[in-house]
Amino acid sequence: DAGVIQSPRHEVTEMGQEVTLRCKPISGHDYLFWYRQTMMRGLELLIYFNNNVPIDDSGMPEDRFSAKMPNASFSTLKIQPSEPRDSAVYFCATTDSGTEAFFGQGTRLTVV
Amino acid sequence: DQQVKQNSPSLSVQEGRISILNCDYTNSMFDYFLWYKKYPAEGPTFLISISSIKDKNEDGRFTVFLNKSAKHLSLHIVPSQPGDSAVYFCAARRNTGNQFYFGTGTSLTVIP
Repeated sequence: DAGVIQSPRHEVTEMGQEVTLRCKPISGHDYLFWYRQTMMRGLELLIYFNNNVPIDDSGMPEDRFSAKMPNASFSTLKIQPSEPRDSAVYFCATTDSGTEAFFGQGTRLTVV
Repeated sequence: DQQVKQNSPSLSVQEGRISILNCDYTNSMFDYFLWYKKYPAEGPTFLISISSIKDKNEDGRFTVFLNKSAKHLSLHIVPSQPGDSAVYFCAARRNTGNQFYFGTGTSLTVIP
């Protein structure tokens, strides 16, 4: 398996634009997590899914953020409209209810 | 509210010496603890873990200690090597839901 695949690796966008981050989980993993890495808060859990169903989205900072998992092979995190303070590295991670989460390489988002 | 805390943002250690990274947590519902290692421009990778029923787990040069009464865990690396230079994240999993909560990270520099 190629591991957790995230795209794009880098995204630069203007304030007010819509941004969509994508994640392909490891096949067979039934939990998917979206994290945001910042200096102040480290790896912050935004939302997670179990069997494609959102379980806890209490970490989503504002209504501008939304996430979907239409099937077991794909998830998106959308920011609309984007703001400069959304600039961070966003990680997707998955697990098969096991003892560790596997991370993608992340998407570095810059909003100017 | 940060449920997992790493109070030392950085640590420098001489090659061959012991590195000790510390982590505190607040939620008594955590039953499993992990350490992740992160190199620049890469996703975090799993390093070592410990269940709440144990107080020590060792894997080669890496040992994790858990003190449940103090809600504290630590990672010992001995001997430290320059390749160990990375950001280390402490993480905890709740006994329900499988979500992982991470600390803010400690940047370790091993000086040759």
